Amino acid sequence: AQSVTQLDSQVPVFEEAPVELRCNYSSSVSVYLFWYVQYPNQGLQLLLKYLSGSTLVESINGFEAEFNKSQTSFHLRKPSVHISDTAEYFCAVSEVRGFNKFYFGSGTKLNVKP
Amino acid sequence: DTGVSQDPRHKITKRGQNVTFRCDPISEHNRLYWYRQTLGQGPEFLTYFQNEAQLEKSRLLSDRFSAERPKGSFSTLEIQRTEQGDSAMYLCASSPPPGGVIYEQFFGPGTRLTVL
Repeated sequence: AQSVTQLDSQVPVFEEAPVELRCNYSSSVSVYLFWYVQYPNQGLQLLLKYLSGSTLVESINGFEAEFNKSQTSFHLRKPSVHISDTAEYFCAVSEVRGFNKFYFGSGTKLNVKP
Repeated sequence: DTGVSQDPRHKITKRGQNVTFRCDPISEHNRLYWYRQTLGQGPEFLTYFQNEAQLEKSRLLSDRFSAERPKGSFSTLEIQRTEQGDSAMYLCASSPPPGGVIYEQFFGPGTRLTVL
């Protein structure tokens, strides 16, 4: 079975500061990796995903994540956050072989302060 | 373009009552998933449909829970004899068949269940 650990339940940060949200996973098989974002009172939205190829993936709003196979990590970073990035962020994995069931971490609440 | 919809958005019920939730996936998506999210936790997988076939059920899905997708389109999740521990957000997601947007799941807004 797969498991996902998000080490920080809450991350407070000031606007325009850099941020890193940590995600580690455990799996005995190859996995795909995802970050989803949940804004207040909204559903989960895909932020970015790693399937194969370049280990650094980027989103359209300035987030990036790097797949590190040796450390089984997929940390999410942004060099300069905005107030509008305040949300809860979930890391998820799914098996490469299978029907794409997701295993989610417990989430990290990013609180961007002015 | 309509996304995944869920109805109702909120449900308050008394312990012991039955409740039913509905999910309408994106129309061309043949894969449908139910997840449950409790406070402070990430979503946990409950069950998966490919077309009308229910192909996997989590051990979280006790015999009080049943899900259907009779025509391979919308799905329902029923909870019988609700318990306070069933209080959670129930999420539905869908994804296209292989060859579509690879492996992304599209989530609905969820149904928040409160059992008094």
